[in-house]
Amino acid sequence: EAGVAQSPRYKIIEKRQSVAFWCNPISGHATLYWYQQILGQGPKLLIQFQNNGVVDDSQLPKDRFSAERLKGVDSTLKIQPAKLEDSAVYLCASSLLAGEDEQFFGPGTRLTVL
Amino acid sequence: AQSVTQLGSHVSVSEGALVLLRCNYSSSVPPYLFWYVQYPNQGLQLLLKYTSAATLVKGINGFEAEFKKSETSFHLTKPSAHMSDAAEYFCAVLNNAGNMLTFGGGTRLMVKP
Repeated sequence: EAGVAQSPRYKIIEKRQSVAFWCNPISGHATLYWYQQILGQGPKLLIQFQNNGVVDDSQLPKDRFSAERLKGVDSTLKIQPAKLEDSAVYLCASSLLAGEDEQFFGPGTRLTVL
Repeated sequence: AQSVTQLGSHVSVSEGALVLLRCNYSSSVPPYLFWYVQYPNQGLQLLLKYTSAATLVKGINGFEAEFKKSETSFHLTKPSAHMSDAAEYFCAVLNNAGNMLTFGGGTRLMVKP
């Protein structure tokens, strides 16, 4: 079974530029998550989708971050414009359902904002 | 709101020694608790989870954790450390609505030969 795929693996941009990350979850997983992991910290949930609907985006900085999950499969996370403090690893995870179901994580995208 | 505290951002043990990684949680209801491991440049992998069944939970790679309500703890242990156990370990708690994991700050385990 293929795991969660993410691209790109690494991205370096200058502040005020835009960037987008892509995630392909495990086939059949209804729930998709985006996390931000700042160096030395645990992952922080940004947004959760159930199929193509948003379940929770309370910790998403909506003035600059946006995410979508068209057709309830792949998802993109966008930052526009980026700030220095956005430097982090962005992790995508998926689970069959929500709740205590195991979340399967992708390898992440490491973003550096200069 | 739920929260998780992991005591010790770095733990170093010798190969073959006992591994003990500490996790304390705060929750107003019986929690669902998780331990994840993260190897360098990889995503997180579930080690084990507690879902209000047995208080001693066995996971992969010889790890286990014990839920102690009186101490609000869910410490992770392994009797004998291997070099391959060197990684970052995260404790997490599921929120009351059952839709959000809150992670601790992580503990980096180093294993000396």
